[in-house]
This record gives sequence, structure tokens and C-alpha cells, in this order.
Amino acid sequence: SYELTQPPSVSVSPGQTARITCSADALPKQYAYWYQQKPGQAPVRVIYKDSERPSGIPERFSGSSSGTTVTLNISGVQAEDEADYYCQSADSSGTYEVFGGGTKLTVL
Amino acid sequence: EVQLVESGGGLVQPGGSLRLSCAASGFTFSSFWMHWVRQAPGKGLVWVSHINSDGSSTTYADSVKGRFTISRDNAKNTLYLQMNSLRAEDTALYYCAREKVAVAGNYYYYYGLDVWGQGTTVTVSS
Repeated sequence: SYELTQPPSVSVSPGQTARITCSADALPKQYAYWYQQKPGQAPVRVIYKDSERPSGIPERFSGSSSGTTVTLNISGVQAEDEADYYCQSADSSGTYEVFGGGTKLTVL
Repeated sequence: EVQLVESGGGLVQPGGSLRLSCAASGFTFSSFWMHWVRQAPGKGLVWVSHINSDGSSTTYADSVKGRFTISRDNAKNTLYLQMNSLRAEDTALYYCAREKVAVAGNYYYYYGLDVWGQGTTVTVSS
């Protein structure tokens, strides 16, 4: 089955830039989406179509794509950004959707 | 206010059935694709199924194919998930979520899951 690979954890100090990667073979063909989930809450979409930021999402959140890897960047990380982050995409046929395993962002 | 509210979760024995519902309000339900996503306790998000805006097309994860059925009633603004032959590994919090999908000729443009409910808990145990 198709899988998206994320690092289990990323740690950064406040004010630094956090980079969370997501890798899979079909990412050059399929868009990626990013979600933030805080404990006890439903996920929130923070990036769509690789790099588009929805209204209401702070400008410090951005996305990029290069080959088989997409990256969520959070510049000037704040304590409130501590959360689990998930990438989502589809297999090469576009039929089946999948989430990455999630990355726990810790703000030191 | 745009809102999705799930219901129908509970405790069920292995091999049993449950039907989840997701009531939508505050937006034109019939214009959006809908998804079910689940999350086992302490684990990550897992996509389960989606249905297109008029209900004519459905897709399932391999783990639930043949056991779960997604459907929708656009007149009632409600999404459903019929779950049969339940297993212990189906234990999870089940979220419904909407997705805007634009169609231009033969191309589909997906915008991601932008509104989520708070989830309903399904526990499969004897």
C-alpha cells in the first residue's frame, strides 16, 4: 500500500524555523496537504496544494515541494505551534488517499 | 456557522455493526465531497473513505473495503458510514470532513479537508 514518510519528531527553539518533511514516490504527480492537530482537537488544514495557505492561517506557515519530498516550514516558531503535523496526499492514480504517520513538533 | 457533527459511535462486539452519521450545517452540503478519517487512541490519522458530491462515486481504504459503506443524503445534509463485521482494530475516533473539489473538463482540483467535525468514538470489544 502507498505510504507517506514523515519524521516522528522535530524540535526547535522559539523563533527558529521548523521544517517537517513528507516523502513518497507519487508526490511529483499529486498535491500534498498539511494539517495541524493539537491534543484533544480536530485537525486543522494549514497548507493545501503543496504551498497554498488558507485564509486565517498565519503567514509563518508555508509549504514547498521538490521531487518526491514536500516540506512544511514554520518560521519564527511560537509555543502555540507545538502540535502534531500530518501530510496527506494520494497515490499515483489519484484514487486512494493517505496520511503520513505524523510529526510531533516540540517547541523547546 | 459552518459545522459538522458526528454521532452514532459506541461500544460494539467484534463482528457487530454500527452506523455513523455526520450532520452538516452552515454550507451547501451537496457541493462538497465528504470523507471519513479515523484515529486510534494515541495514533495518527488514517483515511477511511470518501464520496463525491452527488454520491455517485465512493472510494475506500483497503482496510475497510467490503465491510464499510459510505453514503450521503443531500436532502438531509447528512453523511453516513455503515460499518459491518467490525474488528478490534477498527476502534478509533471517527471524524467526518468536507473537501472542495473543482472540476474542469477531465481534471479534478482538490483543496484538502478544510472543515472537520469533533469526532465520534467507536470501540470494538467483547
